Amino acid sequence: AQSVAQPEDQVNVAEGNPLTVKCTYSVSGNPYLFWYVQYPNRGLQFLLKYITGDNLVKGSYGFEAEFNKSQTSFHLKKPSALVSDSALYFCAVRVRSNDYKLSFGAGTTVTVRA
Amino acid sequence: NAGVMQNPRHLVRRRGQEARLRCSPMKGHSHVYWYRQLPEEGLKFMVYLQKENIIDESGMPKERFSAEFPKEGPSILRIQQVVRGDSAAYFCASSTEGAWSSYEQYFGPGTRLTVT
Repeated sequence: AQSVAQPEDQVNVAEGNPLTVKCTYSVSGNPYLFWYVQYPNRGLQFLLKYITGDNLVKGSYGFEAEFNKSQTSFHLKKPSALVSDSALYFCAVRVRSNDYKLSFGAGTTVTVRA
Repeated sequence: NAGVMQNPRHLVRRRGQEARLRCSPMKGHSHVYWYRQLPEEGLKFMVYLQKENIIDESGMPKERFSAEFPKEGPSILRIQQVVRGDSAAYFCASSTEGAWSSYEQYFGPGTRLTVT
């Protein structure tokens, strides 16, 4: 079985400061990892994914994430947060090659204060 | 290129009524997935469909829930005899290539079902 944990329900940062949203996963095979963002009353927007190759993945809106196989983590980062980054962030995983169901974490609410 | 479209955006039903949720995938996408998001929880997979075929419905309750993706028209998620516990946001996603590829799923805005 596959699962995702987002250990922090909420993250609060000041605008201009670095932002990190944590994600750890558990799968029985090699993972495909994804980050999505959800704004109020909107659907999920794709931010970035790790499939293979370079462990540092760059995505939309200045976000990046680092795949760490030994720690089974895929933390989302942004060097300088904006107020407009305030939203709900979801990490998701599926097992490479033999599965397609995305398993989502419970989500982390990010609040960036001006 | 329009994204994934869902309607209605909000749906209110009384207990015992039927709910029909529609999803039109992105142009060129032939793979559709339905997820349910309960309050304070992440999304849970319900069903995966291709045109005219249900590939995997392992996440869908065995009673009262059904899904289809006909040759023409949108995918439909149907909930019969709704109960209060069915109140949730239902999201549809689509992808272009087969589900075993690396392609990401694109999500619609969701339908928020409230059962009174």
